[in-house]
Amino acid sequence: EVQLVESGGDLVQPGGSLRLSCAISGFTFSNYEMSWVRQAPGMGLEWISYISRSGRTIYYADSVKGRFTISRDNGKNSLYLQMNSLRAEDTAIYYCARMMDMAVTASVDYWGQGTPVTVSS
Amino acid sequence: QTVVTQQPSLTVSPGGTVTLTCASSAGAVTSYHFPNWFQQKPGQPPRTLIYSTSNRHSWTPARFSGSLLGGKAALTLSGVQPEDEAEYYCLLYLGGAGWIFGGGTYLTVL
Repeated sequence: EVQLVESGGDLVQPGGSLRLSCAISGFTFSNYEMSWVRQAPGMGLEWISYISRSGRTIYYADSVKGRFTISRDNGKNSLYLQMNSLRAEDTAIYYCARMMDMAVTASVDYWGQGTPVTVSS
Repeated sequence: QTVVTQQPSLTVSPGGTVTLTCASSAGAVTSYHFPNWFQQKPGQPPRTLIYSTSNRHSWTPARFSGSLLGGKAALTLSGVQPEDEAEYYCLLYLGGAGWIFGGGTYLTVL
């Protein structure tokens, strides 16, 4: 069974940092691209970052570029999101999502349950 | 900056048919945007329904179908069930600029 379990969400002050993790099981992690998606309270979904299987290709949404860093450790079956210079508008539930084969389709199939991040003083 | 627009809300009767649309400010939505559709119910993560315009996942009921319609991506629900009441989001691929979600359509089954 495919499972994606996020962790690391917390209450953090503006300007602070946080590192989110997504633990993977039920599939061969190194064979899949991954993304992070977030959802602010009462708002819609926002794609924020993508990483290729090897980690060599990375994309960011403009809203997080220069502040957030996506990474992965295929040996540990884990995806990460390092978030720096956090702002109130970064308050959201953060989901990791598995991408389908990018050679065929730029699509999402599985989602984690999400981890909440609150940026407030 | 591309904006993806969905109808904010729609209402359908049980057993009826409804079409949700997804438009891009950058022009016509094509198969190269690999449109995805997701369903989200309160307090739950999104669930993927449709990928690459019209492909259902193994868990997607057959009453959900995706297409391109008049330069937009479309999700049609036929024979709507009460449990289909939810928020629906589309997702478009923008190449090197990543992906962008639509603002969502809340579907009421009444």
